[in-house]
Amino acid sequence: DAKTTQPPSMDCAEGRAANLPCNHSTISGNEYVYWYRQIHSQGPQYIIHGLKNNETNEMASLIITEDRKSSTLILPHATLRDTAVYYCIVRASGTSYGKLTFGQGTILTVHP
Amino acid sequence: EPEVTQTPSHQVTQMGQEVILRCVPISNHLYFYWYRQILGQKVEFLVSFYNNEISEKSEIFDDQFSVERPDGSNFTLKIRSTKLEDSAMYFCASPGRTSNYGYTFGSGTRLTVV
Repeated sequence: DAKTTQPPSMDCAEGRAANLPCNHSTISGNEYVYWYRQIHSQGPQYIIHGLKNNETNEMASLIITEDRKSSTLILPHATLRDTAVYYCIVRASGTSYGKLTFGQGTILTVHP
Repeated sequence: EPEVTQTPSHQVTQMGQEVILRCVPISNHLYFYWYRQILGQKVEFLVSFYNNEISEKSEIFDDQFSVERPDGSNFTLKIRSTKLEDSAMYFCASPGRTSNYGYTFGSGTRLTVV
């Protein structure tokens, strides 16, 4: 699975959009980009994933660049409860439910 | 949304003792995973389990660890002789609808070895 690079920490004001970047310059054509988050010491929570098209669900939006070498997770209206560690993970499709490899992630702090 | 249930939420044990951590994954799924997270460190893969067999394991998952499915719905992670460095959060996880979807993690068991 391709390696990802994320900033170690970011701040965001409550109510504003939080834009979390991720670089995955060695991504392969069959690899998906997944985003998870971990609030305090809870289990990681799946947020969203995509291959090459932008994706949106009830939690967030995922913007993937045309060359697929980077992506941005967007929380459109961040709340204090969105304070968490956010992980960008690249994983091949069709890997028969293979493992997830977590990096250090980005610590997002949402402040009032 | 389907849930993954872990028990106990917190376990304190003496060094050298055996511990068994339990998980009830999302039903009707044959794949199952264990991860751990030492305080302040990243989430690490331990083992994946498919159809009653280990399909992949990490270097961490040595002979002190074992995983079982004692009945149709429960999975267990056993540590035979705990060490201080086994103190961590242990998470189990089930995959989503297909291999391309996200995994659902349990809330974890905090293991403290004293």
